[in-house]
Amino acid sequence: DAGVTQSPTHLIKTRGQQVTLRCSPKSGHDTVSWYQQALGQGPQFIFQYYEEEERQRGNFPDRFSGHQFPNYSSELNVNALLLGDSALYLCASIRTRVNTEAFFGQGTRLTVV
Amino acid sequence: GDSVTQMEGPVTLSEEAFLTINCTYTATGYPSLFWYVQYPGEGLQLLLKATKADDKGSNKGFEATYRKETTSFHLEKGSVQVSDSAVYFCALSDPGSGNTGKLIFGQGTTLQVKP
Repeated sequence: DAGVTQSPTHLIKTRGQQVTLRCSPKSGHDTVSWYQQALGQGPQFIFQYYEEEERQRGNFPDRFSGHQFPNYSSELNVNALLLGDSALYLCASIRTRVNTEAFFGQGTRLTVV
Repeated sequence: GDSVTQMEGPVTLSEEAFLTINCTYTATGYPSLFWYVQYPGEGLQLLLKATKADDKGSNKGFEATYRKETTSFHLEKGSVQVSDSAVYFCALSDPGSGNTGKLIFGQGTTLQVKP
């Protein structure tokens, strides 16, 4: 049983560019959450997708947007990248009706230069 | 708003020493509480959880008890190993979110165990 998978594992972008990160949830899970983890800090909740809609959002600007596909996979898009967007981006999935604990992927390390 | 506070690290112990990592929380409702572990270069793995007051979560020799009266969820292990070296995160599920997908994390505590 594959767990949560994220791609790519590492990414380097230039200030002002746009980036798309991808996540496939654990088998049987239908809800995907995205987190930003700055170096030396705990993860911060960005938003959550369920039934292809954004259901909850943390304190992040509109430059951060997402999408969920019918197969429950998800994308995180960040526009107009800033140096401060450099972080580990984590995807987590749960099975909503059962309300399982969140399973996390390995993350995508984004570096903005 | 809801928040989690962990003891600052790094914590450095010798193998077979007793471990305590303190965690306290602030929440308006009745959250579930979690400890996650992050090994170098990896994502987060659930270590243990507790869903209501006085519950004790345990796994791999680690344990933590949900103390509502002191709003705490301290992580303990009787005898640490070198392989326990990692970053440990205390977290709560947002009571208002209705699910465990929205977590509020502490800042993390780095544990280093020396042989």
